[in-house]
Amino acid sequence: QKEVEQNSGPLSVPEGAIASLNCTYSDRGSQSFFWYRQYSGKSPELIMSIYSNGDKEDGRFTAQLNKASQYVSLLIRDSQPSDSATYLCAVSAGYALNFGKGTSLLVTP
Amino acid sequence: NAGVTQTPKFRILKIGQSMTLQCAQDMNHNYMYWYRQDPGMGLKLIYYSVGAGITDKGEVPNGYNVSRSTTEDFPLRLELAAPSQTSVYFCASSQPVGQEGSYTFGSGTRLTVV
Repeated sequence: QKEVEQNSGPLSVPEGAIASLNCTYSDRGSQSFFWYRQYSGKSPELIMSIYSNGDKEDGRFTAQLNKASQYVSLLIRDSQPSDSATYLCAVSAGYALNFGKGTSLLVTP
Repeated sequence: NAGVTQTPKFRILKIGQSMTLQCAQDMNHNYMYWYRQDPGMGLKLIYYSVGAGITDKGEVPNGYNVSRSTTEDFPLRLELAAPSQTSVYFCASSQPVGQEGSYTFGSGTRLTVV
């Protein structure tokens, strides 16, 4: 069974701080990695995708990938209360994506 | 564009009843998926399809069936509903997973089996 592991949290950070979310995966053949944000009662929405080792930045979000260590992370700078949600890590597995259980993030004013 | 449309949004079923969850997309995506999400358990793949007429089982297919007669539609059939099928069901579509292969999700169907 190909695993995607995330700390379930909750991760609590003060407004304006950096939130760091981590994910490890077991399938060395995975090539595509995604971070989705899911608000309570809503469907997941894509935040970032990353395919190569290193960092990828988009606004306040930075995704980091290390295939040798099989981990992917998401940094959220200048965290806002509106960032409070569950963040799902997803890793390609054949024709589909394997999802982690998600990390709950709470940004406190 | 509507994206991915799921119906119904909510449904209560009695044990042993059957129903079909509808999913339609208008993005001409070849790949479509059904996932279920239980509290704290992440998304589990039920079935997927890589094109019209082609379907395959995911991680948790027991108790479900699918068909893919057109590119646009990918209905999920529940036969003989059981309380263990109480969950939130998400349909998604994509281009092939890989470069630009992220999912577009529907809004979900919240199903309760009593």
